[in-house]
Amino acid sequence: NAGVTQTPKFQVLKTGQSMTLQCAQDMNHNSMYWYRQDPGMGLRLIYYSASEGTTDKGEVPNGYNVSRLNKREFSLRLESAAPSQTSVYFCASSGLYEYGYTFGSGTRLTVV
Amino acid sequence: SQQGEEDPQALSIQEGENATMNCSYKTSINNLQWYRQNSGRGLVHLILIRSNEREKHSGRLRVTLDTSKKSSSLLITASRAADTASYFCATATPSSGTYKYIFGTGTRLKVLA
Repeated sequence: NAGVTQTPKFQVLKTGQSMTLQCAQDMNHNSMYWYRQDPGMGLRLIYYSASEGTTDKGEVPNGYNVSRLNKREFSLRLESAAPSQTSVYFCASSGLYEYGYTFGSGTRLTVV
Repeated sequence: SQQGEEDPQALSIQEGENATMNCSYKTSINNLQWYRQNSGRGLVHLILIRSNEREKHSGRLRVTLDTSKKSSSLLITASRAADTASYFCATATPSSGTYKYIFGTGTRLKVLA
């Protein structure tokens, strides 16, 4: 099925560990995004990529890095995880803005 | 900081009633979109309204936009238990060759059967 695929779905990290969240879309969309969702905070934009080879900071980029590996894939890396990064992470992509975002199903990350 | 703020934060209604939720935002926008999120799932795009439009309909959804007041409302008519979800507005501003979408904090809607 066409859409946005995120892996893993769940992850528990210890403080200071690193990990990469993977995202891939098969809709030939140019733009891809990473958001985090915390209770009562809605979604906050971490990083986005308008096209292959470009990335830009969003509202809350500190503690994260991203890579737009190719048109399909956009990964999010936590170099040294902190408890404050406990959250649900969503990847999204968009083509024509008329149709909005297509979201992945999320990665639930807990940092202990 | 959040661009959009929805109110109310939570809304509980009976099946068949109408549900109205509001969104206010801070800066100029290109378009505004509404999304639904069922518990534990990703967001689903519902409807988009451009900055030069005042009202738009899609099925049981009606969206209005008042750019002078920087506000939008989403009306769901004849609500159903399946409409129980959180609803978010997202404002789109051009940035770096694409659109940057900033989401509000959401309205949790509960429709009682």
